[in-house]
Amino acid sequence: NAGVTQTPKFQVLKTGQSMTLQCAQDMNHEYMSWYRQDPGMGLRLIHYSVGAGITDQGEVPNGYNVSRSTTEDFPLRLLSAAPSQTSVYFCASSFGLAGVVYEQYFGPGTRLTVT
Amino acid sequence: AQSVTQLDSHVSVSEGTPVLLRCNYSSSYSPSLFWYVQHPNKGLQLLLKYTSAATLVKGINGFEAEFKKSETSFHLTKPSAHMSDAAEYFCVVSSLQGAQKLVFGQGTRLTINP
Repeated sequence: NAGVTQTPKFQVLKTGQSMTLQCAQDMNHEYMSWYRQDPGMGLRLIHYSVGAGITDQGEVPNGYNVSRSTTEDFPLRLLSAAPSQTSVYFCASSFGLAGVVYEQYFGPGTRLTVT
Repeated sequence: AQSVTQLDSHVSVSEGTPVLLRCNYSSSYSPSLFWYVQHPNKGLQLLLKYTSAATLVKGINGFEAEFKKSETSFHLTKPSAHMSDAAEYFCVVSSLQGAQKLVFGQGTRLTINP
């Protein structure tokens, strides 16, 4: 199993540009999520999905869109990049049975710089 | 609402000495608690988790943590530090009501001195 994969590893954008961060998992996990990591702030939840066709907002959703058309993929879209979105982005996945806490598996991260 | 406070942003110990990373939590529901480790330029790896079974939880690489409800704490310990333990450590909380929605602490950077 490849686990959770993310592409690209690094990306530099200019303000106003758009891009999609890719995330895929091969563990048949229902739950997938996106976090951003900023110095001194830990990881903060951006969006999450409990299954194909179902997404919801996390703690810091503004400026980001998601969709979940398949179980395997959960892309994160930046429609108009801003310098405040400079961060490291992590995708995670787990089984998602309600009321049961499962280990989440994290991808290697995408380091994004917006100039 | 849930929150996590890691009481030290940076801890420095000598190789072979004990490690203590402190974490306090706040949760309206019975919490599940985790410690994750992040080595430089890597993703996050689960060290251990508490989900209302035994209050003393053993994890990988010799780490353990004790859940103390009366103190709302979940401190991470290791009897003897190794150079490979140098990393960032995150204390994390979730609840059955939002089982997969994790709330992270700010992180503690552990430095090991030779």
